[in-house]
Amino acid sequence: DAGVTQSPTHLIKTRGQQVTLRCSPKSGHDTVSWYQQALGQGPQFIFQYYEEEERQRGNFPDRFSGHQFPNYSSELNVNALLLGDSALYLCASHWGGLGETQYFGPGTRLLVL
Amino acid sequence: AQKVTQAQTEISVVEKEDVTLDCVYETRDTTYYLFWYKQPPSGELVFLIRRNSFDEQNEISGRYSWNFQKSTSSFNFTITASQVVDSAVYFCALRGPGGYNKLIFGAGTRLAVHP
Repeated sequence: DAGVTQSPTHLIKTRGQQVTLRCSPKSGHDTVSWYQQALGQGPQFIFQYYEEEERQRGNFPDRFSGHQFPNYSSELNVNALLLGDSALYLCASHWGGLGETQYFGPGTRLLVL
Repeated sequence: AQKVTQAQTEISVVEKEDVTLDCVYETRDTTYYLFWYKQPPSGELVFLIRRNSFDEQNEISGRYSWNFQKSTSSFNFTITASQVVDSAVYFCALRGPGGYNKLIFGAGTRLAVHP
């Protein structure tokens, strides 16, 4: 049973560039959430996708956008990168029911220079 | 507003010591869910436990135990006879009711277990 996978594992970009991160949910899961974890902090919720639509969004600017595909995989796009976007980006998946546990992938470490 | 506070930033213990990680939460919801996750140096968040607000039974799983007290809004985590492999950052998280599963995390507690 494959867990949540993310790619790439590491990424280095420069300010102003755009980046796309990818996530494949755990088998049987239909909902994907993205979190940003700055160094030394807890993860912060970016948004959640269910049935290919953004279901909920955290306090992040429109530079952060996403997409969910029919196979439930998801992408996180960040435009006009800022130094402050440097973080670990975590993807979590679960089945869309109430109270379900979110399972996390290994994350993508993004460094913006 | 919902909030999770983990007041202990870092804890250092010697192997075989017992250690308790504190978690205090704030929520106006009557139905909610609490979680503990472990984050080893590799970065992946590993799920440890989920507790519903209407189930105040404490839970034990091997060397791990959890004490949920609604009266004090606390959900503390105890590791008995700690081992070096327990070294990690531990996060407590809260999720409200409804069909949306946004998790609100505390700042985490870094546990270092020394041989």
